[in-house]
Amino acid sequence: GAVVSQHPSRVICKSGTSVKIECRSLDFQATTMFWYRQFPKQSLMLMATSNEGSKATYEQGVEKDKFLINHASLTLSTLTVTSAHPEDSSFYICSASWHGRETQYFGPGTRLLVL
Amino acid sequence: DQQVKQNSPSLSVQEGRISILNCDYTNSMFDYFLWYKKYPAEGPTFLISISSIKDKNEDGRFTVFLNKSAKHLSLHIVPSQPGDSAVYFCAASESLIMRFGAGTRLTVKP
Repeated sequence: GAVVSQHPSRVICKSGTSVKIECRSLDFQATTMFWYRQFPKQSLMLMATSNEGSKATYEQGVEKDKFLINHASLTLSTLTVTSAHPEDSSFYICSASWHGRETQYFGPGTRLLVL
Repeated sequence: DQQVKQNSPSLSVQEGRISILNCDYTNSMFDYFLWYKKYPAEGPTFLISISSIKDKNEDGRFTVFLNKSAKHLSLHIVPSQPGDSAVYFCAASESLIMRFGAGTRLTVKP
């Protein structure tokens, strides 16, 4: 149980384009979903927290207009990287939890490369 | 700010011996602690967790110890197996918001 999927697993795009990453909880209803970013050989950095039906809460330093997060249902959250630039190239990972649970279950991650 | 620190970037252990991974934190408001295992280009996999009201939690070969006064936790793996080779992340949670350490790469040699 507690399976989280992400799509796509990797994406290459041109600078200036937008990229959408989907995160789905497959066997549970995720009341809260989280988006992280990981640079090579570094830790996971929380970008934002989203509760179903509410606006996402962004961490300090994360541009909400650049990283659009939507959590429209209890099983789906999307992260859209708008007007991507090479410095946005990174490994993006989502996680999900359900009401009151401390444990987060992670998706497999999405490798984004912006040329 | 690094609220969760894993000071050892790597650890090498012989198969069958004990692996001890350490983690320190600075925020006394953290109330839940977790260990995740991660392979390259994959998401972290949950291993074991512990609430701040406990000092030990055991699950098979994995035991997590929490020393709140020292703001320190550790993960013990015994006996270590080659399949345990991965990067281990320590995480601490406050009000469901999780902060991660930088990870420790564990290599278990046959």
